[in-house]
Parts: sequence; C-alpha cells; structure tokens
Amino acid sequence: GQNIDQPTEMTATEGAIVQINCTYQTSGFNGLFWYQQHAGEAPTFLSYNVLDGLEEKGRFSSFLSRSKGYSYLLLKELQMKDSASYLCAVRSSRGSYIPTFGRGTSLIVHP
Amino acid sequence: NAGVTQTPKFRILKIGQSMTLQCTQDMNHNYMYWYRQDPGMGLKLIYYSVGAGITDKGEVPNGYNVSRSTTEDFPLRLELAAPSQTSVYFCASGTGDANTEAFFGQGTRLTVV
Repeated sequence: GQNIDQPTEMTATEGAIVQINCTYQTSGFNGLFWYQQHAGEAPTFLSYNVLDGLEEKGRFSSFLSRSKGYSYLLLKELQMKDSASYLCAVRSSRGSYIPTFGRGTSLIVHP
Repeated sequence: NAGVTQTPKFRILKIGQSMTLQCTQDMNHNYMYWYRQDPGMGLKLIYYSVGAGITDKGEVPNGYNVSRSTTEDFPLRLELAAPSQTSVYFCASGTGDANTEAFFGQGTRLTVV
C-alpha cells in the first residue's frame, strides 16, 4: 500500500512564503502531483514531479527527493486567494498508476 | 469545452434508497475515476476504469457499483444508501500517461438521512 503524510493545517501572512511538506512511502513510484482545492470546489492541478529536483511555475514551486520519499510545495508572495487545501498525490506502478491522495493541508492566509 | 460533468450537484437520499451519480467527459480520456471526500480527509478511490468495458475496485468500493459502456460515461451506482455514504463524490478523468494530471468534475454532495 501507500502512505502519504501532510500537515493538517498551516497559517501564513499575505506576501510571505510558505512551504507545505509531503512525505510518502510507496513501491513502484511513478510521480507526485500537487493539487489545489478551494472550499466547495473541485481539485485543480498545480504541479507534477517524477525526477528529483525543483519545478518552478510562477509563484508556485514543487520539489521532489525520491530517495527520501519527500516533496514540498513552495508558495511565494502569498495572496488571500491562496487560502485553500493543498493535496499531495502519488502514482505507483503497484496501484495501476492511479493517484493516491494524502489528507490535504489547509492553508489559511491572513492579512 | 465542458471537461468533466457531474450530475446532480446535490442530493438528499433516505436510507435504503438507490441512485446513480452521472459522470461524463468530452476529452476522450481512457482513464476515469470515482473518489469520495469526507470532511478533513483526502480523496479516497472508490472505482476506476482504464477504458470502455474495463472497471476495477479502488480503496473503498463496498456499497457502490460502476459500469463503463462508453469512453465518455462512467456512472456510479449506490444500491442501498447508508448514512456512511454521506460524502462529496468527485469524478475525474485522465489520459493515464505518466506526466499528465487528472481533471475533476465539480462534485456531487450527497446526504443520506
């Protein structure tokens, strides 16, 4: 099976930088996704990592270390609209390549 | 483009009733998934399909059934609704390729009373 762990909740200030961590245990690792989900809405795709290193996309960056089973999502220049839940999901060849999701991290951005 | 469309958006069921949650996608994706999301929890996979005529169980399949007669449609059936099935249900689709994401419908909020 797969085990994915994220902090339940984080708070940060508008304009600041926040790092959301995700640790996972899986066999047959085949990629890690980050999704954003606003309250009452569907998850939307943010980033994908399959190789070690940092992927940057505007204000959002995602990092992966396969040897450590670790990823983080970095949000810069936080805005109020970034208040949402951030879901880490892992694909595995043992799971028919279907993403398995963590519980999500609820990020609250305050003025 | 409509993407992934789910109906209904909201539904209240009585214990023991049955219903079908509809899901259709217009992106010609082979992979389709049904997840449920309970408060404060992540998405749990109920069933998935890798193509028309092929379905398989996910992590929490008990109490549900699916079919995949066409590429576009992937309905989820609840035969005997129970309070434990109160949840938000998300349908998603994808190509299944390594570096591509899943696209989600807007969800169906189901309450069983």
